[in-house]
Amino acid sequence: AQKITQTQPGMFVQEKEAVTLDCTYDTSDPSYGLFWYKQPSSGEMIFLIYQGSYDQQNATEGRYSLNFQKARKSANLVISASQLGDSAMYFCAMRGRRDDKIIFGKGTRLHILP
Amino acid sequence: GAVVSQHPSWVICKSGTSVKIECRSLDFQATTMFWYRQFPKQSLMLMATSNEGSKATYEQGVEKDKFLINHASLTLSTLTVTSAHPEDSSFYICSAREWGRRETQYFGPGTRLLVL
Repeated sequence: AQKITQTQPGMFVQEKEAVTLDCTYDTSDPSYGLFWYKQPSSGEMIFLIYQGSYDQQNATEGRYSLNFQKARKSANLVISASQLGDSAMYFCAMRGRRDDKIIFGKGTRLHILP
Repeated sequence: GAVVSQHPSWVICKSGTSVKIECRSLDFQATTMFWYRQFPKQSLMLMATSNEGSKATYEQGVEKDKFLINHASLTLSTLTVTSAHPEDSSFYICSAREWGRRETQYFGPGTRLLVL
């Protein structure tokens, strides 16, 4: 069975500081993909970044980077130079190879303080 | 980027009525679409996987007769909540994967359902 764990229910960070959101996962699939999504209060799910289990390098997308440590089964999201607009719910998610479905962690609510 | 639309965005209905929610991939073909449900302050829970031209695969605990899913074409999947009750009130989100691109998973804007 696949499982995603996000242990930080909420975080408060000062604007312009870097943020690390934790995510650990468990799967028996040798091949899998890891996603991070942002959900603002409007409810839409905004794709941030993707990391394949066989990717040699950590994924980066603008201010977002994924700190992928395969042996530790962790896929932390790093947001550099946080902005007020980064305040939202953040979900870590995983897709295994055997089936196509994506499962989500419980999320972390990030508050950026001015 | 790829766009997934949902209609309606809001729906309020009386208990006992049925509600249909549409999910469309606007600029790509989606052989597989997914339906999620999200209660306030909770995570997304997968309800079912919808495959074009075949029966949907439901997650454990999801009533297939209650939540009817039809994936009629490569760009359209529908979720019908039959005989809705107040406990079905939730935020329903569809998602689609672009054919041939496993790294993608695009989400619709969601549908808020309130059953009175």
